[in-house]
Amino acid sequence: QSALTQPASVSGSPGQSITISCTGTSSDVGGYDYVSWYQQHPGKAPNLIIYDVSNRPSGVSNRFSGSKSGNTASLIISGLQAEDEADYYCSSYSSSTTLVIFGGGTKLTVL
Amino acid sequence: EVQLLESGGVVEQPGGSLRLSCAASGFTFEDYTMHWVRQVPGRGLDWVSLISWDGGSTYYADSVKGRFTISRDNSKSSLYLQMNSLRTEDAAMYYCVKGGKEFHFDYWGQGTLVSVSS
Repeated sequence: QSALTQPASVSGSPGQSITISCTGTSSDVGGYDYVSWYQQHPGKAPNLIIYDVSNRPSGVSNRFSGSKSGNTASLIISGLQAEDEADYYCSSYSSSTTLVIFGGGTKLTVL
Repeated sequence: EVQLLESGGVVEQPGGSLRLSCAASGFTFEDYTMHWVRQVPGRGLDWVSLISWDGGSTYYADSVKGRFTISRDNSKSSLYLQMNSLRTEDAAMYYCVKGGKEFHFDYWGQGTLVSVSS
């Protein structure tokens, strides 16, 4: 099962908004509303920031939002802050033989 | 506070076996699906396995199917991963992860590092 496709890197200046895409197929992203997003700082474990496409766990900033259109999900970070610099991974349920698949990850740089 | 503490990561030879453990606290362990997710340092995340709340259902990534076995002991709030026939490509940080209501991962441990080398 191929990984979901994410851009390797994105960048933005403080205060700006950025979008990270996550492209799959109708067997995963497009077929189910089970897309989630994780933030990972260097040397740390991942942290859930969006689940079920657009839901935010308690305690996660409302600067993080998620959406989906067809086979592509998106993570939007508004009002960029230096602390947002991290790796971001998307994940989806898959009806293939592998139950859950991840994207390859996107490195966000805050300029 | 949810805590997941992994242990058991060591250096093992190809073809060898290893058992990872995860001690959970801060939530009702027996109510939740649990997962193992791995990550080669500097690389992406890779889902490994899932076990249902009662241990009655298990699922594996194709890359580990037939070699790894996930299990749990709800009386001890513990999760396990038995890893047999280890390959060099199994070397990674292994995370114990609490499942959310659907197919997402809402709490992660700090990981235990498995190295596979001759």
